[in-house]
Amino acid sequence: QSVLTQPPSVSGAPGQRVTISCTGSSSNIGARYDVHWYQQLPGTAPKLLIYGNNNRPSGVPDRFSGSKSGTSASLAITGLQAEDEADYYCQSYDSSLSGLLFGGGTKLTVL
Amino acid sequence: QLQLQESGPGLVKPSETLSLTCTVSGGSISSSSHYWGWIRQPPGKGLEWIGSIYYSGTTYYNPSLKSRVTISVDTSKNHFSLKLSSVTAADTAVYYCARQWVDGRAFDIWGQGTMVTVSS
Repeated sequence: QSVLTQPPSVSGAPGQRVTISCTGSSSNIGARYDVHWYQQLPGTAPKLLIYGNNNRPSGVPDRFSGSKSGTSASLAITGLQAEDEADYYCQSYDSSLSGLLFGGGTKLTVL
Repeated sequence: QLQLQESGPGLVKPSETLSLTCTVSGGSISSSSHYWGWIRQPPGKGLEWIGSIYYSGTTYYNPSLKSRVTISVDTSKNHFSLKLSSVTAADTAVYYCARQWVDGRAFDIWGQGTMVTVSS
């Protein structure tokens, strides 16, 4: 029962742009705690994709970007490629739980 | 470069205690900038944070698991450990250890994960 809500699935054709939303509340995203995004390719460990709402670790293509507004955050992927097909998770801190939260995950399908 | 490796039994009986260790190589666990965390993923499901520990021994846990979880650190061996008591089939999952930034709390380096099955 994640309190960070993501759509279960999104899809797009190669070259297109897709966005994945992560909706929280006033005790997590709305409280200005950082949002991070992870990419999990099939059968592998998650990989940090975006940190601190909109920062890319070294090596992550600039096709990936993050944003945050109010109690929601979004991950945008432009120029979709077949290799982007994966599960994506958002993560933040929740003050009412005094702990970390992951969103339920979104499966991206490249058509 | 820093690497994390989980180790421990792949099969645990119901009601017993699950014990895993995460060994850190290529760097020190006694970093003032990092916590060290455990995250799990049941088959076909999403990620669940279990808890995190600082090298000093300070911990914080997922409230839904807190009564059953103990995370400890051994700086002399450069590893940290997870104990989850009174396990049931619902605890069957891939268990990951990861390095967590103190500032912002992102997990930047992950172990490969280890599958733990709870079954008699």
